[in-house]
Amino acid sequence: DQQVKQNSPSLSVQEGRISILNCDYTNSMFDYFLWYKKYPAEGPTFLISISSIKDKNEDGRFTVFLNKSAKHLSLHIVPSQPGDSAVYFCAAKDEKLTFGTGTRLTIIP
Amino acid sequence: EAGVAQSPRYKIIEKRQSVAFWCNPISGHATLYWYQQILGQGPKLLIQFQNNGVVDDSQLPKDRFSAERLKGVDSTLKIQPAKLEDSAVYLCASSLVAGNTDTQYFGPGTRLTVL
Repeated sequence: DQQVKQNSPSLSVQEGRISILNCDYTNSMFDYFLWYKKYPAEGPTFLISISSIKDKNEDGRFTVFLNKSAKHLSLHIVPSQPGDSAVYFCAAKDEKLTFGTGTRLTIIP
Repeated sequence: EAGVAQSPRYKIIEKRQSVAFWCNPISGHATLYWYQQILGQGPKLLIQFQNNGVVDDSQLPKDRFSAERLKGVDSTLKIQPAKLEDSAVYLCASSLVAGNTDTQYFGPGTRLTVL
């Protein structure tokens, strides 16, 4: 029973364009959501988060949107840069952190 | 500020052997987590410590996995005996406290291969 789902295993985007990564969840008890970024041979690195009382949080090039009624969140990266190429994990928290399966983002120069 | 340290980075063992992983969290972080990440999946929480007490070990296969955090700082995770399905990256993370909005910082992980 996967409570956090990232249905796109991979995504390729041209440099300078917008990257949109999606995440769906099923547990309505989740009240805090995070995005982590992972490079090969490194641990996940925290990127941005959002509380369930908000619908948008912005940090520089990164914006996370939360649609509670649809149980959906998305990460927007604009403009996309080659250094953004990594695996992105969506995570949701009630008592513990539950991760999605990840989306591999490739930025094409 | 030094990050979360883990060792070894890689380990190859045969099934039924034992293995241990070590984690040193960020200085001052009270909460420590061990995750298992199987290839193609997201990290899954195995155990959470608050100082040297266990907060959540509901997903730890206790017949073969054990973990301890003596003195509330370093932690070790042991597998005895290992099975083929234990092949994964074992990630250690720490956070200042265990609050809902507290960020977890991850170490580089230990990649375990069981043959």
